[in-house]
Amino acid sequence: AQKVTQAQTEISVVEKEDVTLDCVYETRDTTYYLFWYKQPPSGELVFLIRRNSFDEQNEISGRYSWNFQKSTSSFNFTITASQVVDSAVYFCVLSESNQGGKLIFGQGTELSVKP
Amino acid sequence: NAGVTQTPKFRVLKTGQSMTLLCAQDMNHEYMYWYRQDPGMGLRLIHYSVGEGTTAKGEVPDGYNVSRLKKQNFLLGLESAAPSQTSVYFCASSYSGRVTGELFFGEGSRLTVL
Repeated sequence: AQKVTQAQTEISVVEKEDVTLDCVYETRDTTYYLFWYKQPPSGELVFLIRRNSFDEQNEISGRYSWNFQKSTSSFNFTITASQVVDSAVYFCVLSESNQGGKLIFGQGTELSVKP
Repeated sequence: NAGVTQTPKFRVLKTGQSMTLLCAQDMNHEYMYWYRQDPGMGLRLIHYSVGEGTTAKGEVPDGYNVSRLKKQNFLLGLESAAPSQTSVYFCASSYSGRVTGELFFGEGSRLTVL
């Protein structure tokens, strides 16, 4: 069965610190997609990144970077030089190729960045 | 651009009452979804639709019904509300179910059942 685990429930850092959010997933499918979504205090869900199971190339986008490792079934997310505006709940999400776009969410990690 | 719009944004019901949440998208998306979010948890799929006139059950469908009479609208109904249905409900849409693109979410509808 598919499952996403975000072991960190809450993380608190001081502005400008780097922070990594962990994500471990389980799936029997060989073709799947992984996402990170951000949910700021206002409540909406914001898409950050998508990776498919055949693309293990790690990516950096501004202050954000992602580390996808199939060998350990992990898809970790790092924010460099965190800012107060990064405070939000971050969700790691899995979708299998034959599931019609249905998303399996992790429990979420609440990140608090203090000035 | 409106994107995905949910109405109402907030609602308080008494146990046993019925209500309908409306989701409207203006992106001509084929797929639409209803999720619920409970404290300390991620979103869980209630029902979804792969096109006009079709619906299917998700992970937690009990106590809910849905309809997709028009491509742009996806309705979520509670026939007899229960306190366990107190939650924040999110509607989402996507161009296809092949997950080549991300889902677009509405802003959420907060429902309280007393």
